[in-house]
Amino acid sequence: DAKTTQPNSMESNEEEPVHLPCNHSTISGTDYIHWYRQLPSQGPEYVIHGLTSNVNNRMASLAIAEDRKSSTLILHRATLRDAAVYYCILRDSGNQFYFGTGTSLTVIP
Amino acid sequence: GAGVSQSPRYKVAKRGQDVALRCDPISGHVSLFWYQQALGQGPEFLTYFQNEAQLDKSGLPSDRFFAERPEGSVSTLKIQRTQQEDSAVYLCASSLDVRTIYFGEGSWLTVV
Repeated sequence: DAKTTQPNSMESNEEEPVHLPCNHSTISGTDYIHWYRQLPSQGPEYVIHGLTSNVNNRMASLAIAEDRKSSTLILHRATLRDAAVYYCILRDSGNQFYFGTGTSLTVIP
Repeated sequence: GAGVSQSPRYKVAKRGQDVALRCDPISGHVSLFWYQQALGQGPEFLTYFQNEAQLDKSGLPSDRFFAERPEGSVSTLKIQRTQQEDSAVYLCASSLDVRTIYFGEGSWLTVV
């Protein structure tokens, strides 16, 4: 009963922007959208989160569709260190984080 | 250290052996989560504590899995009579306000 759907893998050239999509058609009004990334042999690392409005931080931007049924994580300039598995996660009112299988991002030098 | 600390980092257990995995959350974090991550999969929720109270244990796969956090700080995940399907990375995470959770590097369990 995955709550989010992401492509299994994506590639990007170094120093180019990357748009990582996520579908969450069953999102409820109180679910927050979180993005985490996981480098090899490490625990997941927080990237960004939002509810309704687009969000920006030093790592990335989060664009949320008006109907909230999809979102896009934007890395403005991919670096080799951004190669990781990116998880789009819904956090419900019970504060549970439901991970899917994520998108494996490959950055090509 | 300032992050979530887990031990042991790596554990090889013989089938049928009991194991205990420890998590030291970030100081002052009231919320603590355990996740299980199989190879090539995303983390799957096991259980959640708020201070010493275990508020949700719906993700524990069987009664062989038990978690505790008696003083609201350090937590232990115990797996009794380990089986091969228990082989996975066990991730602990903690949070001050649940808006952002911070993960440890995980305990890698291999059951042989």
